[in-house]
Amino acid sequence: EAGVAQSPRYKIIEKRQSVAFWCNPISGHATLYWYQQILGQGPKLLIQFQNNGVVDDSQLPKDRFSAERLKGVDSTLKIQPAKLEDSAVYLCASSLLWPETQYFGPGTRLLVL
Amino acid sequence: GENVEQHPSTLSVQEGDSAVIKCTYSDSASNYFPWYKQELGKRPQLIIDIRSNVGEKKDQRIAVTLNKTAKHFSLHITETQPEDSAVYFCATHKNFNKFYFGSGTKLNVKP
Repeated sequence: EAGVAQSPRYKIIEKRQSVAFWCNPISGHATLYWYQQILGQGPKLLIQFQNNGVVDDSQLPKDRFSAERLKGVDSTLKIQPAKLEDSAVYLCASSLLWPETQYFGPGTRLLVL
Repeated sequence: GENVEQHPSTLSVQEGDSAVIKCTYSDSASNYFPWYKQELGKRPQLIIDIRSNVGEKKDQRIAVTLNKTAKHFSLHITETQPEDSAVYFCATHKNFNKFYFGSGTKLNVKP
């Protein structure tokens, strides 16, 4: 079974630039999560999709972050404009509705200079 | 919302000893409790999980115990090996809601 795919794996940008991340979940997984993981901390949920609808985006900084999941499969997360404090690993995960076991992708390591 | 606290933040043990990491939570409706292992620069990997209708679950050297009354659950690793060195995260979940993660425990197993 193929796992969760993410790209790019690494990205370096300057502050105020834009960046986009892509995630392809495990086939058949209805739920997709985007997490931000700052060094030394646990993953923090940014947004959770169920199929192509948003379940929770309460911790998404909506003035600069946006995400979509067209057709309920792939998803993109965008940051525009980026700030220094956005430097982190962005993890995508997916799960079935039941059981809800999450599977994580390899992450995208973002460095904002 | 849920509040998950994880202790200790760092744990150093000698190879062969046992390691115990504890998490407490606040939402009594939480009913699924996974543990993840994250090696440096890698993705979190599920190592064991437990549901609220079970008090203990074991998988070889790893076990998880759950006390619903006290709202805490613990990860137990016996006969630790150097390859167990990693950061461990607990998490909680309730039906169709989001996961809440602990702050992580850095486990160092000294050979």
